[in-house]
Amino acid sequence: SQELEQSPQPLIVQEGKNLTINCTSSKTLYGLYWYKQKYGEGLIFLMMLQKGGEEKSHEKITAKLDEKKQQSSLHITASQPSHAGIYLCGADMAGTASKLTFGTGTRLQVTL
Amino acid sequence: NAGVTQTPKFRVLKTGQSMTLLCAQDMNHEYMYWYRQDPGMGLRLIHYSVGEGTTAKGEVPDGYNVSRLKKQNFLLGLESAAPSQTSVYFCASRNVRDRAQNGYTFGSGTRLTVV
Repeated sequence: SQELEQSPQPLIVQEGKNLTINCTSSKTLYGLYWYKQKYGEGLIFLMMLQKGGEEKSHEKITAKLDEKKQQSSLHITASQPSHAGIYLCGADMAGTASKLTFGTGTRLQVTL
Repeated sequence: NAGVTQTPKFRVLKTGQSMTLLCAQDMNHEYMYWYRQDPGMGLRLIHYSVGEGTTAKGEVPDGYNVSRLKKQNFLLGLESAAPSQTSVYFCASRNVRDRAQNGYTFGSGTRLTVV
């Protein structure tokens, strides 16, 4: 079973449209990380959230962690082809100290 | 540049051969990790280390061994490679004293094919 569920899988959007990727856990998330990965390349750190209700933004990407600290969302406004790739959430979870657990990833395709 | 360096970047092995993947970090990080990434599976933890001379099993440790003789290096060994070990391997390190922004630093990956 997957401790971190990501949805949707995959995601195809038209350029200029907004989109949201979700990351859900049944356990409390003590630290939630969002990464982006281009095909065949390494992980690029986007944002980290720790506190319930926390929200961070960078350029057109906003990430939120819910009050219960069991779900996070990544929102992209006015998507561009440069946003295409695989988005991965990773988390420090209750009962798994010192280890980052990853979701399955969401492959985002942005069409013209 | 500071960071995590993985060698080699690509490798093709025959079934039954052995090899060692090297991960080196120059940031004086305490924790180090080995992950594998397969299509549709995200990253899964193989082994990790919380300090020099210590290692622990992760989610998918079978068929792999690790060693951390020096703080800056974390080695992943395959004693007898199997086609099921075809994957992309990522190493990461973590500064547990500063988790404010990005506690984890990842290497660029090693693409391993076992034929």
